[in-house]
Amino acid sequence: DAKTTQPPSMDCAEGRAANLPCNHSTISGNEYVYWYRQIHSQGPQYIIHGLKNNETNEMASLIITEDRKSSTLILPHATLRDTAVYYCIVRVETGANNLFFGTGTRLTVIP
Amino acid sequence: NAGVTQTPKFRILKIGQSMTLQCTQDMNHNYMYWYRQDPGMGLKLIYYSVGAGITDKGEVPNGYNVSRSTTEDFPLRLELAAPSQTSVYFCASSYGTSGWSVDTQYFGPGTRLTVL
Repeated sequence: DAKTTQPPSMDCAEGRAANLPCNHSTISGNEYVYWYRQIHSQGPQYIIHGLKNNETNEMASLIITEDRKSSTLILPHATLRDTAVYYCIVRVETGANNLFFGTGTRLTVIP
Repeated sequence: NAGVTQTPKFRILKIGQSMTLQCTQDMNHNYMYWYRQDPGMGLKLIYYSVGAGITDKGEVPNGYNVSRSTTEDFPLRLELAAPSQTSVYFCASSYGTSGWSVDTQYFGPGTRLTVL
């Protein structure tokens, strides 16, 4: 169920902005884009989600293109603690009410 | 507010043994979930529950059973452990909304299970 495509890995210098891309060209009009991250085998942690407008919270910003076929998660000032696997997920509108996790992007923040 | 707690943290089982993975949440969430994560892979849904007394299969339910007698607890049962069940198991919970789409899941720390 490959609904999103992410690069397998990225590096980012500490203190710089980390921009993580995600393609979701088959997204439906009522599906949301969610981002979660998983730090070293801990449970995944919710970051942010959006439908079509750009969103910002205390952790990150989410930029969704006008055609909604892709998005970018932005960590404005990456720290070493942001080293994690980041998952971009499009919610499947079935009765299962679940999140389909792919393999994500492994972000490494370099000192 | 402890969130989602799971016990045990680690367990080694022999083939054919049984065990129950415990999951408890104190956020009064309606929905609860069990996922497994194999090395280098994403999470796959095993079972989920939308409320006490209601459970349903996810993507990979074979070899597992669940029950939901209370809002807080959602145990996962392995009846006849097999090496293919070696994995990290995560429990999660969420409020659940009628619109489905705006529902954030909160995850526990995981149980690392090895079947030898």
